[in-house]
Amino acid sequence: DGGITQSPKYLFRKEGQNVTLSCEQNLNHDAMYWYRQDPGQGLRLIYYSQIVNDFQKGDIAEGYSVSREKKESFPLTVTSAQKNPTAFYLCASSISPTNTEAFFGQGTRLTVV
Amino acid sequence: GQNIDQPTEMTATEGAIVQINCTYQTSGFNGLFWYQQHAGEAPTFLSYNVLDGLEEKGRFSSFLSRSKGYSYLLLKELQMKDSASYLCAVVTTSGTYKYIFGTGTRLKVLA
Repeated sequence: DGGITQSPKYLFRKEGQNVTLSCEQNLNHDAMYWYRQDPGQGLRLIYYSQIVNDFQKGDIAEGYSVSREKKESFPLTVTSAQKNPTAFYLCASSISPTNTEAFFGQGTRLTVV
Repeated sequence: GQNIDQPTEMTATEGAIVQINCTYQTSGFNGLFWYQQHAGEAPTFLSYNVLDGLEEKGRFSSFLSRSKGYSYLLLKELQMKDSASYLCAVVTTSGTYKYIFGTGTRLKVLA
């Protein structure tokens, strides 16, 4: 079955620790995205990648980092520099970066204590 | 700057029709999407507009006016399961293509 997988679903970390969220897709999509969603809010773009080995900052990239070494994988690291990291993180992919539907993973709910 | 605006909340009655509006101001435009998101779940695709006019898909229709920077999602014959957030998203074209979401509209369907 083709799809986009995020793991883990729930993640707890102590303040000051870096944490990496996994996102894998087997849809052969070129474009991948990371969004952050806070309670009752819309999706805010953190980073996006249009092709392997290339990525761009979104609207709220500070305190986050990504890599895109393989087409299938786009991990997101939440660093200790992120002031308020507790949130719901969604990864998405689309066939091309232009005008195609985005497919979402099930999300990772990160809680920093 | 880039801005996508939607009403925060709407309430409607089962069986009724509801229209959710989205206005946008973006650097370039390469299509507008509507997604449905139930609480705690991932968004799912509902509709796509790139040309002006109405796209109909069963109980859901979406309209776009590029000159006005305006879209709406029309839901007919509302059902309780339609209670969800509805997200408007625009693909912008300022240098690179970016998939930007609005703040979302929480729809409550009452019996």
